[in-house]
Amino acid sequence: AQSVTQLGSHVSVSEGALVLLRCNYSSSVPPYLFWYVQYPNQGLQLLLKYTTGATLVKGINGFEAEFKKSETSFHLTKPSAHMSDAAEYFCAVRNWNTDKLIFGTGTRLQVFP
Amino acid sequence: EAQVTQNPRYLITVTGKKLTVTCSQNMNHEYMSWYRQDPGLGLRQIYYSMNVEVTDKGDVPEGYKVSRKEKRNFPLILESPSPNQTSLYFCASGTQGAVEQYFGPGTRLTVT
Repeated sequence: AQSVTQLGSHVSVSEGALVLLRCNYSSSVPPYLFWYVQYPNQGLQLLLKYTTGATLVKGINGFEAEFKKSETSFHLTKPSAHMSDAAEYFCAVRNWNTDKLIFGTGTRLQVFP
Repeated sequence: EAQVTQNPRYLITVTGKKLTVTCSQNMNHEYMSWYRQDPGLGLRQIYYSMNVEVTDKGDVPEGYKVSRKEKRNFPLILESPSPNQTSLYFCASGTQGAVEQYFGPGTRLTVT
């Protein structure tokens, strides 16, 4: 069975600091991995995705993630946090048979001035 | 504009009163799905549909029904809502086998 684990339900950083949100996955087949962002009172927006090929994936708003098969990880990073990055972030893996997205429990990012 | 729409966005109802949350997409997607989001649990799939007249249970289907009579619409039906169905609901769509899914804005349901 496929699953995703997000380490840390809350992460706080100062504006301008590095953002690191952790995601580990479990999958018996090559995974398709995603990061979604949810701003307050809004739906989910795709930040970036990994399917095949280059393991360093760049997304919107300056975010990127690196697929590391040996570590079964897909951590999300941004070099310099902005106040507007405050949101909840979800890592997900796609189920090959049903197209279902299997989500982690989410990480709420707070950015302090 | 390509989008997934849900109605209503907010709903407060009482136990046992049947309700329907509508979902519509204008991208001609075959695949549609419903998720519920609860604090500390992330999003969990309720039902999904691979195409018209084809639906299947997700991880938490109890207490819900769906139908897919048209490609663009995928309503979620709660025939006898209970307080444990108080949640934030999202509809999503995508082309079958596609990587990306598009999410609606969400429906916040409160059952008292």
